[in-house]
Amino acid sequence: QQQVKQSPQSLIVQKGGISIINCAYENTAFDYFPWYQQFPGKGPALLIAIRPDVSEKKEGRFTISFNKSAKQFSLHIMDSQPGDSATYFCAASYHQLIWGAGTKLIIKP
Amino acid sequence: NAGVTQTPKFRVLKTGQSMTLLCAQDMNHEYMYWYRQDPGMGLRLIHYSVGEGTTAKGEVPDGYNVSRLKKQNFLLGLESAAPSQTSVYFCASSPGQSPQETQYFGPGTRLLVL
Repeated sequence: QQQVKQSPQSLIVQKGGISIINCAYENTAFDYFPWYQQFPGKGPALLIAIRPDVSEKKEGRFTISFNKSAKQFSLHIMDSQPGDSATYFCAASYHQLIWGAGTKLIIKP
Repeated sequence: NAGVTQTPKFRVLKTGQSMTLLCAQDMNHEYMYWYRQDPGMGLRLIHYSVGEGTTAKGEVPDGYNVSRLKKQNFLLGLESAAPSQTSVYFCASSPGQSPQETQYFGPGTRLLVL
């Protein structure tokens, strides 16, 4: 019940396209869902986060869509750029943060 | 502000050797964490601390010990290194008690155990 399942494991998108990464969870007690971005050789950094009382949150080209009934949430990157190439982690928390396995995103120029 | 720093950046150990990884933060954060990152497994919490002098076990604590003698420092020790501990280790800190607080990560320590 504590798992957060993330897919796909890797993703290649053409420059200008939409990148979509999905996460699913079981524990309905989770009340905070962040996405972290990690560049090679660096630690993860918070990108965007959402609480379950809203269905969508947008910050620039990054959008989280949240489906409480399906227990799923996703990250959409619009107009993907080569600089977006990184590993993305979803996570969910109640008492502590539970991490997804990560998605390696490559944006082809 | 340097944020979260980790030393060393890279280390090679032989099986059975011991070592200590140092994490330091200059943001006056209460919470500190040690994670390991392995391919396809994301981040797994080893130990964490909710304040100076306190530590607690995370998801994968076996084979590791920690200490938080000063608020700004969090040490991770390997008493007898094993090849299964080959990984990238990340330290993180957060301001307060809520798991909804942003975690700020260091650059990582790459450890190879032969």
